[in-house]
Amino acid sequence: DVKVTQSSRYLVKRTGEKVFLECVQDMDHENMFWYRQDPGLGLRLIYFSYDVKMKEKGDIPEGYSVSREKKERFSLILESASTNQTSMYLCASSPEALPRSPLHFGNGTRLTVT
Amino acid sequence: SQQGEEDPQALSIQEGENATMNCSYKTSINNLQWYRQNSGRGLVHLILIRSNEREKHSGRLRVTLDTSKKSSSLLITASRAADTASYFCAVVGNRDDKIIFGKGTRLHILP
Repeated sequence: DVKVTQSSRYLVKRTGEKVFLECVQDMDHENMFWYRQDPGLGLRLIYFSYDVKMKEKGDIPEGYSVSREKKERFSLILESASTNQTSMYLCASSPEALPRSPLHFGNGTRLTVT
Repeated sequence: SQQGEEDPQALSIQEGENATMNCSYKTSINNLQWYRQNSGRGLVHLILIRSNEREKHSGRLRVTLDTSKKSSSLLITASRAADTASYFCAVVGNRDDKIIFGKGTRLHILP
């Protein structure tokens, strides 16, 4: 089975801190994604990557950046955390370019910014 | 927007009954996918149905797709307490590579 591992289940950070959310997948998938999930808004795509060192903006990239130095790891970076970035963050991967494949999700990181 | 929209937003049924959730969308699609999310966890893929398919089954799950009505339904038969979760449809359009998720249906199975 594909395993997508997010390094933290819960994080509490202060406003202005630089925050790193890490995601690792163990199935050599080409594509990786970061979403945030908020009540009433559903899942919204922040960034995605189709290859190492490659990144594409999703629907809500403002305030975020990403890094993909290795195929298995996709990091989401909050350069200066703000309270409106309090959310559930979900990482996902897929083996081939959409639209052919479903996504495999990690268990999520619930981030609170105070 | 090609976003899928689920209906109802919430559903409570007795254990053993069937649960039906619907998804509507606005543009032409390549495929439509259903996911389940248990409370506080990530999403788990259930079924992918392509635009040229009308029905797919997986265990107690049955998904239908009506492209003329731009709608899909997910049927869970003989529901169990473990089926309590949120269910999301996600559409992949023909024009781009994005997968767009709906806001989900919260299903609660009563003992």
